[in-house]
Amino acid sequence: GQSLEQPSEVTAVEGAIVQMNCTYQTSGFYGLSWYQQHDGGAPTFLSYNALDGLEETGRFSSFLSRSDSYGYLLLQELQMKDSASYFCAVTGGGNKLTFGTGTQLKVEL
Amino acid sequence: GAGVSQSPSNKVTEKGKDVELRCDPISGHTALYWYRQSLGQGLEFLIYFQGNSAPDKSGLPSDRFSAERTGGSVSTLTIQRTQQEDSAVYLCASSPLPSEPQHFGDGTRLSIL
Repeated sequence: GQSLEQPSEVTAVEGAIVQMNCTYQTSGFYGLSWYQQHDGGAPTFLSYNALDGLEETGRFSSFLSRSDSYGYLLLQELQMKDSASYFCAVTGGGNKLTFGTGTQLKVEL
Repeated sequence: GAGVSQSPSNKVTEKGKDVELRCDPISGHTALYWYRQSLGQGLEFLIYFQGNSAPDKSGLPSDRFSAERTGGSVSTLTIQRTQQEDSAVYLCASSPLPSEPQHFGDGTRLSIL
């Protein structure tokens, strides 16, 4: 089976940098994805790592270490609109996504 | 280009009734997924359709839940004899191929009285 752990909540100030971690245990692993979900909204895809290292997309970067079963999402130049829940998800056998319970990011002035 | 469309957006029904939830995936997407999300929780996988292959039903919580996908496009999730614990947001997602990022609909918020 799959299990993922994320901190439940992170608070940061506008303009700062925040890192949200994800550790996983999995019986099959193809990649780690990150999704953003605003209250009442649909999850939206942010990034995907299949290989070790850092992937950068604008203010968002995602990192993966397969040997450590660990990844993180890095948000730079935080904006109030970044306040949302962020979910990591593992693509395992059968192409299914298993989601973590999510980190609620609160951005303050 | 339309995204994933789900209907109804909200559904309130009495315990014991059957409900049908609909998902219209993005045109051309071969993979379709159903998830359930309870308040403040992550997404729980329910079922996965890929092309004409037999669906992966391993996430369905009981035999009261079933889903079908007609013509490789529209999908319906049916919950029979609903229970209060079925109250949740039911999300549908599709992707061009199984390994590619999933695009989610806005979900159906189901409330069982």
